[in-house]
Amino acid sequence: DAGITQSPRHKVTETGTPVTLRCHQTENHRYMYWYRQDPGHGLRLIHYSYGVKDTDKGEVSDGYSVSRSKTEDFLLTLESATSSQTSVYFCAIKEAGNSPLHFGNGTRLTVT
Amino acid sequence: GENVEQHPSTLSVQEGDSAVIKCTYSDSASNYFPWYKQELGKGPQLIIDIRSNVGEKKDQRIAVTLNKTAKHFSLHITETQPEDSAVYFCAASTPDYKLSFGAGTTVTVRA
Repeated sequence: DAGITQSPRHKVTETGTPVTLRCHQTENHRYMYWYRQDPGHGLRLIHYSYGVKDTDKGEVSDGYSVSRSKTEDFLLTLESATSSQTSVYFCAIKEAGNSPLHFGNGTRLTVT
Repeated sequence: GENVEQHPSTLSVQEGDSAVIKCTYSDSASNYFPWYKQELGKGPQLIIDIRSNVGEKKDQRIAVTLNKTAKHFSLHITETQPEDSAVYFCAASTPDYKLSFGAGTTVTVRA
């Protein structure tokens, strides 16, 4: 799994609570990504990082924030969870701009 | 932005037969086309990729073809086996390295 660990693997939370998902990589890759996967939508990019403290928005960034204080860690925060954020979240890493993307095993988040 | 459409959404094949999944993309500047396989409970895994300067690429039972003029690319799996059962995603990357995914194809190989 390309040295990617996502935690937690499963989480159930209530509407309105903040939630933080963690992605940890041991590959020292520059690029890190957060995607969400929903039936019928494939994988949609939430946020990505191209270096420590360098992040940018993806196509579905509303309601999410990210932080990257170290090369190996990329955090995704749902500031106030909503039921529409129930999804499977995948972290991915890439060594360089034109390198292949490698995924972690995901975090299943349920917002009740 | 880039829009990737993938067909069919489900595909059932007899073991030993071939499976073909087709994708189209909208941005003619897209230049990198990976395919991912996702097994239950796991993240997508890269199985093959092709760049825009190549028309076809093979890796054992898997092949990908690219038609830049028509803006479509396809995944071909020959001699399918039960372990080929999974969800397959195509994707297209524009020159700024932004990757857009198709909605996925669930492949079932019947024994």
